[in-house]
Amino acid sequence: AQSVTQLGSHVSVSEGALVLLRCNYSSSVPPYLFWYVQYPNQGLQLLLKYTSAATLVKGINGFEAEFKKSETSFHLTKPSAHMSDAAEYFCAVSDSNYQLIWGAGTKLIIKP
Amino acid sequence: DAGVIQSPRHEVTEMGQEVTLRCKPISGHNSLFWYRQTMMRGLELLIYFNNNVPIDDSGMPEDRFSAKMPNASFSTLKIQPSEPRDSAVYFCASSLGKGGRETQYFGPGTRLLVL
Repeated sequence: AQSVTQLGSHVSVSEGALVLLRCNYSSSVPPYLFWYVQYPNQGLQLLLKYTSAATLVKGINGFEAEFKKSETSFHLTKPSAHMSDAAEYFCAVSDSNYQLIWGAGTKLIIKP
Repeated sequence: DAGVIQSPRHEVTEMGQEVTLRCKPISGHNSLFWYRQTMMRGLELLIYFNNNVPIDDSGMPEDRFSAKMPNASFSTLKIQPSEPRDSAVYFCASSLGKGGRETQYFGPGTRLLVL
């Protein structure tokens, strides 16, 4: 069965510092992997997705994620945090036709 | 493109009342998803439609919940009778193709409070 684990329900970084949000998955077949972001009082929107092409995936707003099969990880990074990055981030995995398995989410807090 | 449209944005009702949430997916999308988000349980898939046909409703909590998609541009999620534990944010999302591998586009959500 598929599963997604996001390490840390809350992550706090200073403005300008590196952002690292961790995601580990389990899947019996090559997965599709996603990061979505949810700003306060809004729906989720896609940040980036991995579809078995390049292992380093670039997304919107300067975020990127690297697929590491050996570690079953898909961590999200951004070199320099901005106040506008404060949001909740969700990792999700799919290896079936329609269902995404969602992580519990990580709230990113940016300190001035 | 207007995106996924949900109404109402906020709903406050009393226990036992019927609640109907509405969703208009993005034009041309053929998959539609209803999700529920709570602090305790996170994001849960309630039901998935493909080409207006319910494919998986295993996430629907119980018989009090029902969902319909009479045409490609409209879906409803109904709760009857509502209970306080139904309080949550309900999201509708749509995608082109089968949503598991396609980007899902979320609406702004309906924040439901059952007193």
